[in-house]
Amino acid sequence: KNEVEQSPQNLTAQEGEFITINCSYSVGISALHWLQQHPGGGIVSLFMLSSGKKKHGRLIATINIQEKHSSLHITASHPRDSAVYICAVEGVFGNEKLTFGTGTRLTIIP
Amino acid sequence: DTAVSQTPKYLVTQMGNDKSIKCEQNLGHDTMYWYKQDSKKFLKIMFSYNNKELIINETVPNRFSPKSPDKAHLNLHINSLELGDSAVYFCASSQGAGVNEQFFGPGTRLTVL
Repeated sequence: KNEVEQSPQNLTAQEGEFITINCSYSVGISALHWLQQHPGGGIVSLFMLSSGKKKHGRLIATINIQEKHSSLHITASHPRDSAVYICAVEGVFGNEKLTFGTGTRLTIIP
Repeated sequence: DTAVSQTPKYLVTQMGNDKSIKCEQNLGHDTMYWYKQDSKKFLKIMFSYNNKELIINETVPNRFSPKSPDKAHLNLHINSLELGDSAVYFCASSQGAGVNEQFFGPGTRLTVL
């Protein structure tokens, strides 16, 4: 069993829908990262959080340390949001390796 | 300005050859990483350097040797390439010690024939 599990693996939605991607992990962490991998292959860091909630534009990330769970939400989804979203956790001491989830492939249909 | 750059973007080579991938960051970061993304798109850490010193080595075969001539560069040299080395290799960097956002390079797609 992977230390970081994401669900769903694939998600197809209509433009404008509210999107939720979930990440559960089984180890102690210092931080959790959400990454976006574009269809062209590039990887961009969206969020890094160790507690609570962060918001950038239409994207919201939350984390519950006690439950070892994080969610990434996209409001008013758009076809340009189509990408693979990857959750990764960083070990307890910081500056440690990232352990990645298997990713969620999101497709937004116009 | 490119923050983290890698060369080459594509690399096609024969089994048994030796090849290098270069990575440079102009962000002034202290820590650099190499990740491998396999055919199933799963990312895994290979190495991490902090101020030119190796701090993470994830049981990667000895054929892989990272080299950090200065803290802005982390190159990956691969000896005796095997078919299973075909993957996309990503370089990344982050600021100093502690928990920090990582910035990724564009990736190098290595194909071993």
